[in-house]
Amino acid sequence: QQQVKQSPQSLIVQKGGISIINCAYENTAFDYFPWYQQFPGKGPALLIAIRPDVSEKKEGRFTISFNKSAKQFSLHIMDSQPGDSATYFCAASYITDKLIFGTGTRLQVFP
Amino acid sequence: EAGVVQSPRYKIIEKKQPVAFWCNPISGHNTLYWYRQNLGQGPELLIRYENEEAVDDSQLPKDRFSAERLKGVDSTLKIQPAELGDSAVYLCASSFLLNEQFFGPGTRLTVL
Repeated sequence: QQQVKQSPQSLIVQKGGISIINCAYENTAFDYFPWYQQFPGKGPALLIAIRPDVSEKKEGRFTISFNKSAKQFSLHIMDSQPGDSATYFCAASYITDKLIFGTGTRLQVFP
Repeated sequence: EAGVVQSPRYKIIEKKQPVAFWCNPISGHNTLYWYRQNLGQGPELLIRYENEEAVDDSQLPKDRFSAERLKGVDSTLKIQPAELGDSAVYLCASSFLLNEQFFGPGTRLTVL
């Protein structure tokens, strides 16, 4: 019940395209859903986060869509750029406490 | 603003040897986390400190792992003795209260 399932494992997108990464959770007590971006040799960095009282949050080219009834949330990267090539992790927690991470999605954006 | 500092960045040891990792959190951050990230996986929490107190160490393998956070600032994570399965990246993160967690670059441990 503590798991966060993430898909796909890897994603290849052409420059300018839309990248979509999906996550699903079981624990309905989770109330904080962040997405982290990790470049090789670096620690994860917070990209965008959402709480379950809203269905969508947008920051620049990055959008989280949240479906509370389905217990799913997704990250959309619009106009994907080569600089977006990284590993993306979804996560979930209760009161921003213990983050439970997904298994990661390696995104490659080709020019 | 300086980020979370970790050292060493890389460590190669033989099994059964001890190893220690050091973390200096962002100034003013009272909460400190140690995570382990296995290859191709997301980070998993090992221990969380609020100031000097370890408030969640349920995932820390206490037979071989230990951690301390003296004076509520720097922290050290130790493994003794190391096993082959301990090869991973050990990440330190810090936050102010329970807000956004900022991660350090990690220490990549290889146990031969």
